[in-house]
Amino acid sequence: QQPVQSPQAVILREGEDAVINCSSSKALYSVHWYRQKHGEAPVFLMILLKGGEQKGHEKISASFNEKKQQSSLYLTASQLSYSGTYFCGTEKTSARQLTFGSGTQLTVLP
Amino acid sequence: NAGVTQTPKFQVLKTGQSMTLQCAQDMNHNSMYWYRQDPGMGLRLIYYSASEGTTDKGEVPNGYNVSRLNKREFSLRLESAAPSQTSVYFCASTRDRGYYEQYFGPGTRLTVT
Repeated sequence: QQPVQSPQAVILREGEDAVINCSSSKALYSVHWYRQKHGEAPVFLMILLKGGEQKGHEKISASFNEKKQQSSLYLTASQLSYSGTYFCGTEKTSARQLTFGSGTQLTVLP
Repeated sequence: NAGVTQTPKFQVLKTGQSMTLQCAQDMNHNSMYWYRQDPGMGLRLIYYSASEGTTDKGEVPNGYNVSRLNKREFSLRLESAAPSQTSVYFCASTRDRGYYEQYFGPGTRLTVT
């Protein structure tokens, strides 16, 4: 079942912060976050595993609440380059198969 | 390293025609994937291959077939294209141990008229 992302879209000014949420109705093994710029392929940002392990880019942080099956991506001091569509991908087991949400379109204005 | 490559980049087909989308990776990954992405939607898994010689259906496999030719290559075939298969197709691969972020190819933009 597809995870639900919120908000669907957000517009902010350079330097502002944003939070993107991803929730699932099923127990999760991991949550992945990807960013996709228009006309390009998705690019990996973060992975959060059940049990607290995570790996990702230095300037982007995320949380994973295993009990609520929710993850949030925190974008602080946004830069113009942060613009794009952010997707969460969830995994119920360690089978390495992701189910992606429908995306959150982030626009950073100067 | 080229990463994940896909051919062709663009394709226009008529209803009923067939074609094969090619994907190759040079990162020695065992796991490979085919996704489709429709406007305003996320990626939906079509087929998955955990290793050479094995394939599994994903969320939307109808109308598609796949071949894992060897460890590097994973192809997607449309036997009889339909307008509903108009989409952007992405191939991806991932390593088997440790953190397994997916590496995506540049995509194939397919239009079926």
